Amino acid sequence: GQNIDQPTEMTATEGAIVQINCTYQTSGFNGLFWYQQHAGEAPTFLSYNVLDGLEEKGRFSSFLSRSKGYSYLLLKELQMKDSASYLCAVRDPQGGYQKVTFGTGTKLQVIP
Amino acid sequence: DAGVIQSPRHEVTEMGQEVTLRCKPISGHDYLFWYRQTMMRGLELLIYFNNNVPIDDSGMPEDRFSAKMPNASFSTLKIQPSEPRDSAVYFCASSPQPGQGSEQFFGPGTRLTVL
Repeated sequence: GQNIDQPTEMTATEGAIVQINCTYQTSGFNGLFWYQQHAGEAPTFLSYNVLDGLEEKGRFSSFLSRSKGYSYLLLKELQMKDSASYLCAVRDPQGGYQKVTFGTGTKLQVIP
Repeated sequence: DAGVIQSPRHEVTEMGQEVTLRCKPISGHDYLFWYRQTMMRGLELLIYFNNNVPIDDSGMPEDRFSAKMPNASFSTLKIQPSEPRDSAVYFCASSPQPGQGSEQFFGPGTRLTVL
């Protein structure tokens, strides 16, 4: 089975740093994704981790610890446009290589 | 490329009616996914195809739902008969062959309201 947990909502200030956590319990693991979804729009890809450690991409970084079933998305120098939902998703080889299970998402509100 | 194309963008129908949602994946992508998103349950995978063949349909809620992919550039998701609890946003996504990341590219979604 799959169980992915994220906080439901977070609020942070423009210019600050925010960390969005994700814990997962899955029957198998073959990579973890983070997607961004603005209200009324489709999810868009942010990052992918399959090995332990930190992946940095501009203002966004994603960390993975497979032994702990834990990941976080770090957003630096927050901008108002970063207000969106952030979805953690785990790829499980059972059910096919491409099967991805999404968490319910963390709604981030950036305030001035 | 125009990205994943879905139609219609909005659909309002009455309970009991048949609903057909359409999707055109990105050219060259071998995988196509249908998702349903609601506030309560988040983004749920309904079914996915590889090279037009259904691989996993374990997420299809019940027999009222069916999906087809007659060729590499077109897929449909049909609900017959529709019920108010089917109201949701339905996303189609496509992905290339597995490789580094192999992220999914989502279409704009179809917002379905069943009255």
